[in-house]
Amino acid sequence: DIQMTQSPSSLSASIGDRVTITCQASQDTSNYLNWYQQKSGKAPKLLIYDASTLETGVPSRFSGSGSGTHFTFTISSLQPEDIATYYCQHYASLPITFGQGTRLEIK
Amino acid sequence: QAQLVESGGGVIQPGTSLRLSCAASGFTFSIYPLHWVRQAPGKGLQWVAVISFDGTNKYYADSVKGRFTISRDNSMNTLYLQMDSLRIEDTAVYYCARDRAMFGLVNALDMWGQGTVVTVSS
Repeated sequence: DIQMTQSPSSLSASIGDRVTITCQASQDTSNYLNWYQQKSGKAPKLLIYDASTLETGVPSRFSGSGSGTHFTFTISSLQPEDIATYYCQHYASLPITFGQGTRLEIK
Repeated sequence: QAQLVESGGGVIQPGTSLRLSCAASGFTFSIYPLHWVRQAPGKGLQWVAVISFDGTNKYYADSVKGRFTISRDNSMNTLYLQMDSLRIEDTAVYYCARDRAMFGLVNALDMWGQGTVVTVSS
């Protein structure tokens, strides 16, 4: 199984800050990497697929990059509504696996 | 409005069975693969199973293989998860999710239900 390791596990930032989360895969996953946002008590929401493609309707302050084993998720200017836990997920092979999550808080 | 709605969760004893349902509406159900993903209390997301658009291909996480069965009824726009020999560690919120890979198998999960809670406890 491919293991996904996110860092950091938690993050505190101020409104307007640039926030970056990384995801490391234990094997080459090409660009088969997605990012999700999960707000407290809610279902996850797809933000970015294929490493860098923004899902329809998702604000442009969210972006993703990377390929192979190293991926980055960025919020260019943090907004109050971005408080959530963020997960990466690969689909290079089965089983698909998620990172352990990054909990984002407002400072 | 496209949506997925899970049902069937509850509190059950170890070793017993439960069947979850996921009713879909607002989109062409029969062309999308579907997944079950679970989340134990305070934990991250864990993929459980996937079924192809036509139901012919099914894959499971090792932790549920041989105990859980995923199925779908395209005439009823409904996805199922039959859970047998339940264990305490199966306690979680269970989400059904649509995969965006029309006629494929695995890509990104672009639509999620609200989740149904399964608690396995003696």
